[in-house]
Amino acid sequence: AQKVTQAQTEISVVEKEDVTLDCVYETRDTTYYLFWYKQPPSGELVFLIRRNSFDEQNEISGRYSWNFQKSTSSFNFTITASQVVDSAVYFCALSEAQTGGFKTIFGAGTRLFVKA
Amino acid sequence: DTGVSQNPRHKITKRGQNVTFRCDPISEHNRLYWYRQTLGQGPEFLTYFQNEAQLEKSRLLSDRFSAERPKGSFSTLEIQRTEQGDSAMYLCASSLVPGQGNEKLFFGSGTQLSVL
Repeated sequence: AQKVTQAQTEISVVEKEDVTLDCVYETRDTTYYLFWYKQPPSGELVFLIRRNSFDEQNEISGRYSWNFQKSTSSFNFTITASQVVDSAVYFCALSEAQTGGFKTIFGAGTRLFVKA
Repeated sequence: DTGVSQNPRHKITKRGQNVTFRCDPISEHNRLYWYRQTLGQGPEFLTYFQNEAQLEKSRLLSDRFSAERPKGSFSTLEIQRTEQGDSAMYLCASSLVPGQGNEKLFFGSGTQLSVL
């Protein structure tokens, strides 16, 4: 069965600090996709990144970076030099190819507060 | 394209009443998903369609819930005999058929249901 665990419920940082959001997943599939979505106070979930199970290269996009490690079933998200606008709830998600038909399952989310 | 549209944005109803929500996906998207999100939790999968076919339903979807996607375009989610436990944000998402980078979901703003 597929499962996504985000152990950090809330994180509070001061602007310009770096912050890492943890994500651990469980799957039996060999082909799967991992995602991060952002849900700002306005409520609409916004896609940030997708990673497939065959590509363990880390990715950087501006102040955002993602570390995918299959050996530990983790897909962590780091925001460098955080800004107040980064305040939101961040969700890690998993989509399995075979058993899940690419149905996406979400973790419980991590609420990030960035204080000025 | 205007993105995924959901109506109404808010719905307040009395226990025992029936409610219906509508979702208009991005026009070229074959897949349409319904999720439910309660306070402090991630979106929970309810059901999804590929074109007009409903391919999977979660055990969360009791027999009081029914979803349709006639003609493979918009979708409706109906809840009969609402209960207070049905109070939640109901999210709709759409995507192209997964594969080759099409796995990301585009979400609507949701319908907030309050059952009194």
